[in-house]
Amino acid sequence: QSALTQPPSVSGAPGQRVTISCTGNSSNIGAGYHVHWYQQLPGTAPKLLIYVNTNRPSGVPDRFSGSKSGASASLAISGLQAEDEGDYYCQSFDRSLSEVFGGGTKLTVL
Amino acid sequence: EVQLVESGGGLVQPGGSLRLSCAASGFLFSNYWMSWVRQTPGKGLEWLANIKQDGSEEYYVDFVKGRFTTSRDNAKNSLFLQMNSLRVEDTAVYYCAGRGPATSGAFDIWGQGTMVIVSS
Repeated sequence: QSALTQPPSVSGAPGQRVTISCTGNSSNIGAGYHVHWYQQLPGTAPKLLIYVNTNRPSGVPDRFSGSKSGASASLAISGLQAEDEGDYYCQSFDRSLSEVFGGGTKLTVL
Repeated sequence: EVQLVESGGGLVQPGGSLRLSCAASGFLFSNYWMSWVRQTPGKGLEWLANIKQDGSEEYYVDFVKGRFTTSRDNAKNSLFLQMNSLRVEDTAVYYCAGRGPATSGAFDIWGQGTMVIVSS
């Protein structure tokens, strides 16, 4: 069982907008620690998508955006494209001195 | 090109040992905290260990404490994970990941992963 809770799956048609939630508690996200998001396309290693809650690394399209409020965070993907299909993970830090990941969300583009 | 390349994975019997290596290139390795993250087949990501830029601090997830040890050689731009007392449930793809100063703790560089299979 992961320390951060994500929905197992989300789906949307091309061009639509989807959001993926990431819920923690007072020991991790709620304690003020940053949230980062990763994209893992089929058969590849994870790739940093969003860092420090809302920031995109160079090369990440602005279709991807992050937000954080209280003990939760969200990743929004607008203008869905077929190549966005894959798994998405949130990550934060815990007061137990552990890095924690969400269980991952499988995005299907219909 | 910024790159991390893991090696050393393979098949090992329960109770055995394995040493993973991670070779870094294309960035200033000594500026990065480095980490190990694994992914069990069909499942999610699990953080295993962090090591500070100069190797002076190490942190581990509880279920590997006392069994796994990470180290680094900045002169050779290399990261290592010594895994002892391996269990069937340690079967996974093991990634090394770099955490740069600009991303405040995010894993901004990932290797391609190396597969470890623990089986009799």
